[in-house]
Amino acid sequence: EIVLTQSPGTLSLSPGERATLSCRASLSVYSSSLAWYQQKPGQAPRLLIYGASSRATGIPDRFSGSGSGTDFTLTISRLEPEDFAVYYCQQYGSSSLTFGGGTKVEIK
Amino acid sequence: QVQLQESGPGLVKPSETLSLTCTVSGGSINPYYWNWIRQPPGKGLEWIGYIYYSGSTNYNPSLKSRVTISLDTSKNQFSLKLSSVTAADTAVYYCARMEGIGSYSPFDYWGQGTLVTVSS
Repeated sequence: EIVLTQSPGTLSLSPGERATLSCRASLSVYSSSLAWYQQKPGQAPRLLIYGASSRATGIPDRFSGSGSGTDFTLTISRLEPEDFAVYYCQQYGSSSLTFGGGTKVEIK
Repeated sequence: QVQLQESGPGLVKPSETLSLTCTVSGGSINPYYWNWIRQPPGKGLEWIGYIYYSGSTNYNPSLKSRVTISLDTSKNQFSLKLSSVTAADTAVYYCARMEGIGSYSPFDYWGQGTLVTVSS
């Protein structure tokens, strides 16, 4: 099973600032099969990024993903008020699907 | 627009079996993987398992001995059974869709989630 470790656990930033979230895998993720989700309180997660760097339908271009192998990054170029939430990475390159523990982006 | 909706008891007694159903509307059952994912209060997401439209299944190794996922294509529904539950199984349970022709893909559609509490 691939273990995904997200850092930091919490990111305290102001609107307009840049957010950089990390996701590190215990084994190489096959074919960059790595997704990022956003979750707000009381809501289901929403797919933001798939294939490590492709934006899902309707996702603003301030969200970008990068990385390959074992190291992946989600960047939010300029935080909007609606971006304060918890973000999860997830790998779907192996038959045992796994999520990272999450990074909370909170208002500073 | 594809929609998923979970249904089932919100309270289950310890040692009993948790049973949930997910109804899919606005789309076909095939060719997709149909998943269950859970989230304990205040914690992260855990994949439970999936059933492919063909009927094949795959479960999280940590839950495999207690999980059964089944599919009813005539009703566009799939179901989860988790046996011998304890308080540690208290969580919001989500159903989610994953595209699947030849390889896996991310979860693109999710249900709203349903809270299941294990308590006597």
